Amino acid sequence: GDSVTQMEGPVTLSEEAFLTINCTYTATGYPSLFWYVQYPGEGLQLLLKATKADDKGSNKGFEATYRKETTSFHLEKGSVQVSDSAVYFCALRRSYNAGNMLTFGGGTRLMVKP
Amino acid sequence: DAGITQSPRHKVTETGTPVTLRCHQTENHRYMYWYRQDPGHGLRLIHYSYGVKDTDKGEVSDGYSVSRSKTEDFLLTLESATSSQTSVYFCAISETSGHNEQFFGPGTRLTVL
Repeated sequence: GDSVTQMEGPVTLSEEAFLTINCTYTATGYPSLFWYVQYPGEGLQLLLKATKADDKGSNKGFEATYRKETTSFHLEKGSVQVSDSAVYFCALRRSYNAGNMLTFGGGTRLMVKP
Repeated sequence: DAGITQSPRHKVTETGTPVTLRCHQTENHRYMYWYRQDPGHGLRLIHYSYGVKDTDKGEVSDGYSVSRSKTEDFLLTLESATSSQTSVYFCAISETSGHNEQFFGPGTRLTVL
């Protein structure tokens, strides 16, 4: 079945450091890929998405490129801020999916120190 | 922000008691979902609905039932709560299938003693 694997956290960085959170997936066909962010005490919010191979999703300085050859969708940001502290979830949606259902990774907690 | 509310936001109950969580949306979206969030497991789908009175099971449906009598409301029921159902529960909504994202509610923290 479908699965998403993320690096375990927590990831602790200093402000202005470079961020990479790894995400790899297993799925049949050509899934769409997503990064969601969860701030403390809140629900998940879509951060970015990519719907086909080599697409780059970007938002708020974050980027991720859909790499079909390595089945990866790593999240990157050039300079993190304290306000980026949150839990980040990688997710996929299979191409033929009548219920529009998502499969999530386990989440990676990011802590940014001033 | 998508108009999704969940009630209650926090609940403590005892093993063996019935519990119902409510999700209410004002977006008129067709699809609604219930997830549970547990450390190390991310979010796992419990049940989902693709229309009024149309529901289906997700990955972890045992011990849960759902109902959707109106487009805007999706109820999750634990008929007899167990300690393994202590979790944070999230409702989500989505428009018709395709490349549409899911929008999430604020969550309900349930503790079963």
